[in-house]
This record gives sequence, structure tokens and C-alpha cells, in this order.
Amino acid sequence: QLTLTQSPSASASLGASVRLTCTLSIGHSNYAIAWHQQQPGKGPRFLMKVNNGGSHNRGDGIPDRFSGSSSGTERYLTISSLQSEDEADYYCQTWDIGIPIFGGGTKLTVL
Amino acid sequence: QVTLRESGPALVKPTETLTLTCSFSGFSLSAGGMCVSWIRQPPGKALEWLALIDWADDKSYNASLKTRLTISKDTSKNQVVLTMTNMDPVDTATYYCARSFYMDVWGEGTTVTVSS
Repeated sequence: QLTLTQSPSASASLGASVRLTCTLSIGHSNYAIAWHQQQPGKGPRFLMKVNNGGSHNRGDGIPDRFSGSSSGTERYLTISSLQSEDEADYYCQTWDIGIPIFGGGTKLTVL
Repeated sequence: QVTLRESGPALVKPTETLTLTCSFSGFSLSAGGMCVSWIRQPPGKALEWLALIDWADDKSYNASLKTRLTISKDTSKNQVVLTMTNMDPVDTATYYCARSFYMDVWGEGTTVTVSS
């Protein structure tokens, strides 16, 4: 069964970089995922798709401070030059046989 | 510009049926590979996918809610409708619709409270 695992929380300082991880279950290393951001009190926003080869495709208007990469069953979201508005919940998402699947989300705190 | 907007009642009573409409523009649900999903988020909790309908009118449902959900589309009106039967207070949530398997565009959501 395909699952996505995310750490519940992460923190980093203003202006620094942070890498969030989404781990696919064993045997699913070839799956692409999407990253979504949900700022406090707002709805989710698509950030990017990350392929198993590590390439990523950002959504419209997403700044290049947000980048994606991949290694094995891990998919990463790296945010550089952290800003206060980056404090949000970040969800990874994929799909299997036409069924979308979400990770549990990571709450990012900008210190 | 692609947009999606959810609409429906803000308050439903327990045991009632909820009907939500996702009205979209800027794309066609008839286009090959296109789909629309419904997702919900209870207060303070994570996102939960509910249902999906694609360009070929194929439908998928969250296995734990399958008996309560029905998704349909009206391509001419650019709308996707979700019904959920036998509503319970635990179904109180913000309900979103989103485009494509990547969910690359989301609506703003509509909040539904289940209470007598």
C-alpha cells in the first residue's frame, strides 16, 4: 500500500534555508509527488510537482526560492531565504491507480 | 486563468444529505487526462481526499466514505457536484475542490458545520 510520511514539524530561522522531506513507502520509489502549501487560515496552494528523477515543475507564481529534489523514496522541498510568510503547513501528495494520497503534513515554523 | 469555486450550505443537520458544487473556469473537464477532486479538512486536522471524477466520467472514492459519497459532473455547466449522505458532526470541515491529479489549482473552500 502506497503511503506518504512527513515529519509533523520543522523549524528554521528567517533568511535561512530548510528542507522538508516526504517519504514514499517501500517499493514506490518511481512515483512523482506534488507539494502543497497551506498558510494559516488559507486554503492549500500547489507549489510544485517533483518527479522521481528529481526534476520539478513549479506552479504559476511560485518563486524560485522553492525547489524540489528526489533521492530514492524521498522527495524534498527546499525553501531558501525563508520569509515569515513561509510559515505554513506543507503537504505532499501523490496518486496510485487514480486514487490521490496525502501525507500528514509538516508544520513549518519560521523563527 | 483557471479558477474553481466551491458552494453549498454552511450548516447541515445530522443525518441530512450535503450537496456541494464546484464551479470552474479556464479548463475543460472533457479534455483527456483532466479530473477534479474533492478534499476536506476538519478544523486543525490534515487534508483528506474524498472523491475524484475524470474526463471519461470515471469516478473514485475514499474507501472509508465510499458508501456515503456520490460525485458527478455537468460538463456543459463546468460543474462538479459532490453529495454526502447521513452527515454527522465529525463531518464538520472545510471542503475544497481541486483540478488534476496534481491538484495544481485549488478553490478557496467552503466551510460546512454539522449541528442540530
